Amino acid sequence: DGGITQSPKYLFRKEGQNVTLSCEQNLNHDAMYWYRQDPGQGLRLIYYSQIVNDFQKGDIAEGYSVSREKKESFPLTVTSAQKNPTAFYLCASTPRYRGLGANEKLFFGSGTQLSVL
Amino acid sequence: SQQGEEDPQALSIQEGENATMNCSYKTSINNLQWYRQNSGRGLVHLILIRSNEREKHSGRLRVTLDTSKKSSSLLITASRAADTASYFCATGSSGTYKYIFGTGTRLKVLA
Repeated sequence: DGGITQSPKYLFRKEGQNVTLSCEQNLNHDAMYWYRQDPGQGLRLIYYSQIVNDFQKGDIAEGYSVSREKKESFPLTVTSAQKNPTAFYLCASTPRYRGLGANEKLFFGSGTQLSVL
Repeated sequence: SQQGEEDPQALSIQEGENATMNCSYKTSINNLQWYRQNSGRGLVHLILIRSNEREKHSGRLRVTLDTSKKSSSLLITASRAADTASYFCATGSSGTYKYIFGTGTRLKVLA
């Protein structure tokens, strides 16, 4: 079945530690996204990538880093610089049709809950 | 930045009633989408309406879009307990591949 897989489902971070959240898709989508969701809140964009080896900062990129070395994979690293990392992290993907902008539906993974020990 | 503001923030209705939630946005868009999220899960796409459309239906869902007022509404008819979830609007614009989400409406359908 095609879809987006996020792992792990739950992750715990110690102070000063970097942690990496995995996101893999087999939908052959060009564009991938990372969102952060705090309890009872909407989604805020962290980073997005339209194509391999390219990515852009979203609205809350500080304390996070990403890479896009393969079309299928878009891992998110939560660095020690992110002082309030506890949140639910969602990865999404969509086809990218050149010139049309954000014009397609998003496919989401099941999320990773990150907590601080 | 949060493009969409949704109201109400929370809504509680009886099974069989209709549920209406609204979304307002700030900038020019080329489409508006509605998503559903069950607690602790990812979002599921419900319906997409393009800026040149005024109304769209999908099963028990009806979406309207008023670009002059920069607002949209989602109507769920004959609600069921299984419709209990949070509902989010999201907007997409030309010239960017960013999708901006609203703050969501938490719907509770009582059996």
